[in-house]
Amino acid sequence: DTAVSQTPKYLVTQMGNDKSIKCEQNLGHDTMYWYKQDSKKFLKIMFSYNNKELIINETVPNRFSPKSPDKAHLNLHINSLELGDSAVYFCASSQGRTGGRDEQYFGPGTRLTVT
Amino acid sequence: AQSVTQLDSQVPVFEEAPVELRCNYSSSVSVYLFWYVQYPNQGLQLLLKYLSGSTLVKGINGFEAEFNKSQTSFHLRKPSVHISDTAEYFCAVIGPGYSTLTFGKGTMLLVSP
Repeated sequence: DTAVSQTPKYLVTQMGNDKSIKCEQNLGHDTMYWYKQDSKKFLKIMFSYNNKELIINETVPNRFSPKSPDKAHLNLHINSLELGDSAVYFCASSQGRTGGRDEQYFGPGTRLTVT
Repeated sequence: AQSVTQLDSQVPVFEEAPVELRCNYSSSVSVYLFWYVQYPNQGLQLLLKYLSGSTLVKGINGFEAEFNKSQTSFHLRKPSVHISDTAEYFCAVIGPGYSTLTFGKGTMLLVSP
């Protein structure tokens, strides 16, 4: 059973389109995250949710909107896609609240390519 | 602000050789430190973590790391690497007053026969 799953694994789309990436965790964790990994492998936090409540919102354009329908799911919707949005997006979860000492479990990633 | 520096972007080694991947962090207070591994086309997986106590931490797959407070370092070591250890390794830190992990830029470990 996959602990943290993401769909789709690959996403190729044109500039200006709107797309969503879905994430689900079956670990019973309270906190979920979205990270962006750029072409140089640099990993940066975008958002964090704890029990469906937005905890962290780093300086991310308003075109990115996370949605957490329940604590097992955290989806990422991106409006008006730009070339610079091309990256690998990782979902992760942890037992404790953001900022704790708990291990984060990562999904396999979604490679987004904007043409 | 907290930060992490991984001094080597790439470390090539031969199979069965020892390896050390270097990580330095900046913080004036106590921190939690982590090493994650990312195999090709996969997500990150925790190798080991330092929270408190013994400064030598053992992790999965034969890796270990030593926390050195005076040198603000948390270097990762393995006495004998395998081809399957080829991956990107990330050091990460979180300290009091910070809400999120800060990752280093990663070190690519390339193990060749």
